[in-house]
Amino acid sequence: DTAVSQTPKYLVTQMGNDKSIKCEQNLGHDTMYWYKQDSKKFLKIMFSYNNKELIINETVPNRFSPKSPDKAHLNLHINSLELGDSAVYFCASSQAKNIQYFGAGTRLSVL
Amino acid sequence: AQTVTQSQPEMSVQEAETVTLSCTYDTSESDYYLFWYKQPPSRQMILVIRQEAYKQQNATENRFSVNFQKAAKSFSLKISDSQLGDAAMYFCAYRSGNFGNEKLTFGTGTRLTIIP
Repeated sequence: DTAVSQTPKYLVTQMGNDKSIKCEQNLGHDTMYWYKQDSKKFLKIMFSYNNKELIINETVPNRFSPKSPDKAHLNLHINSLELGDSAVYFCASSQAKNIQYFGAGTRLSVL
Repeated sequence: AQTVTQSQPEMSVQEAETVTLSCTYDTSESDYYLFWYKQPPSRQMILVIRQEAYKQQNATENRFSVNFQKAAKSFSLKISDSQLGDAAMYFCAYRSGNFGNEKLTFGTGTRLTIIP
């Protein structure tokens, strides 16, 4: 069973479109995260949620809106996609100060 | 703000040999954690090893060990008996021990090549 699962794995879309990436964890963790990995492989935190509450929002454009319907899910919705949004997006989860477990990533390509 | 620096963009090592990847970090916190993650071509992020800052003993996991120098803010990863499957990007990461700030701050990564 996959601990942290993201869908879709690949997403190809046109500029200006709106898209969502879903993330689910079955580990019972209370904190979930979204990270962005750019074309140079640099990884940076975007958001974190603890028990459905937003904890970290790292100067991400308003076009990005995370949604946490329950503590096992953290979805990422992106409005008006731009070329610069092309990246790999990783979801992760952890329990308190413990290890963060990552999903397999979603490669987003904006044409 | 915390920063993590990996000064070696690329490294290579002969199979079965030992290689050390460097990482330095900057923080004013006393409670924190350090990690090495591995990212193979499959792009999955895999935890290699973890070190709690309050522990003086260096962490080890089979062929992987760290040299944690707290005063120097250095956290290097040593891979012994390198295997072809070790080829990957390796990321050093820092995490605060403060509640509400559990994000990982990553270095820029080191691409490790294993020479058969």
